[in-house]
Amino acid sequence: KNEVEQSPQNLTAQEGEFITINCSYSVGISALHWLQQHPGGGIVSLFMLSSGKKKHGRLIATINIQEKHSSLHITASHPRDSAVYICAPNTGNQFYFGTGTSLTVIP
Amino acid sequence: NAGVTQTPKFRVLKTGQSMTLLCAQDMNHEYMYWYRQDPGMGLRLIHYSVGEGTTAKGEVPDGYNVSRLKKQNFLLGLESAAPSQTSVYFCASTAPGTSSETQYFGPGTRLLVL
Repeated sequence: KNEVEQSPQNLTAQEGEFITINCSYSVGISALHWLQQHPGGGIVSLFMLSSGKKKHGRLIATINIQEKHSSLHITASHPRDSAVYICAPNTGNQFYFGTGTSLTVIP
Repeated sequence: NAGVTQTPKFRVLKTGQSMTLLCAQDMNHEYMYWYRQDPGMGLRLIHYSVGEGTTAKGEVPDGYNVSRLKKQNFLLGLESAAPSQTSVYFCASTAPGTSSETQYFGPGTRLLVL
């Protein structure tokens, strides 16, 4: 049983393209996190959302609580955005993790 | 601040050997977590702690033990390593408050069990 589904699993884009990564979840949540895992393995938190939309630089995250869906958008993608992006809804007691979307941005 | 650190970064064990992974954080976080990450799977919670002296089982606790004797440290032990425990292990901590706050991750420990 997968509580978190991400799509696509893999994504290749040309530099400058607009990127969208989707996350659907089945659990009731208090917040949803988007994480970035660098090619070297390190994991950093990008966003924590409980409603609406957040923007940080070229990254935008949205969430629709009723539809249990979140999206991560990257505007004007750059090769340094190449990483695995992980959706992580939190129920208040526990984090669930998607398997990640592997993004490669080609110069 | 160093954030979350993990020791060691890489280790090779033989089946049956034991080892301890150390996670340390200097952010005064109450909650700490141990995850394992395997190819094609999301992060899976092994054990977690909501404060000094307390620990609880996560999704995949078998074969592991933990201790939180000091607030800043969270130790993960493998008493008798098995090849199925070959994985990358991540420690994380969460700011004071609810457990849904932002997690800060360590750099990971790659463990190979032969």
